[in-house]
Amino acid sequence: EIVLTQSPATLSLSPGDRATLSCRAGQSINNYLAWYQQKPGQAPRLLIYNASNRATGIPARFSGSGSGTDFTLTISSLEPEDFAVYYCQQRSFFGQGTRLEI
Amino acid sequence: QVQLVQSGAEVKKPGASVKVSCKTSGYTFTDYYLHWVRQAPGQGLEWMGWINPNSSVTNYAEDFEDRVIMTRDTSINTAYMELSRLTSDDTALYYCARAHIIGTTGYFDPWGQGTLVTVSS
Repeated sequence: EIVLTQSPATLSLSPGDRATLSCRAGQSINNYLAWYQQKPGQAPRLLIYNASNRATGIPARFSGSGSGTDFTLTISSLEPEDFAVYYCQQRSFFGQGTRLEI
Repeated sequence: QVQLVQSGAEVKKPGASVKVSCKTSGYTFTDYYLHWVRQAPGQGLEWMGWINPNSSVTNYAEDFEDRVIMTRDTSINTAYMELSRLTSDDTALYYCARAHIIGTTGYFDPWGQGTLVTVSS
């Protein structure tokens, strides 16, 4: 079983700020990691796959990096619509989520 | 465009079963694995399993393997998830999600809108 630990649990920032979200795997997963965004009342949306590839239609301000056990989702300049919960995922395992709030 | 449309909300009594459908369109149904993921109120995401719509082969999470059945009907491009022996802990939003990349199981995109299953006596 792969444990994915996200930090911080909650991140309080303002529009225009840079956001850095972390996901740590309990063992090496190469670059097989995805990031999802979930807004209230909506299904999750794929943002990043294979650690650093943006999914179709995802703005360039979202970027992913990392390999092995440590991964980062960066939002370069927060827009109001970016305040949501973010999950990392590897195969059948999800992190517990990071809530990005104003 | 690719769409996954799920069946409506359900209310079930403890011990009952529920069957949720996921009707797909906009792509070749048999080319992509379909996953089921659930989310309890205010909680995170929990993967339940996948089905290969081409072969009907399934792979279930250990926590569900004795009471979940995933099936598909290729004539109507629809997948189903049936969960039995329901308890209040099964109250959740149930999502279907297509695999992101053809022929692989790894990532989920897009997702259905979710089906709320409430288990209450």
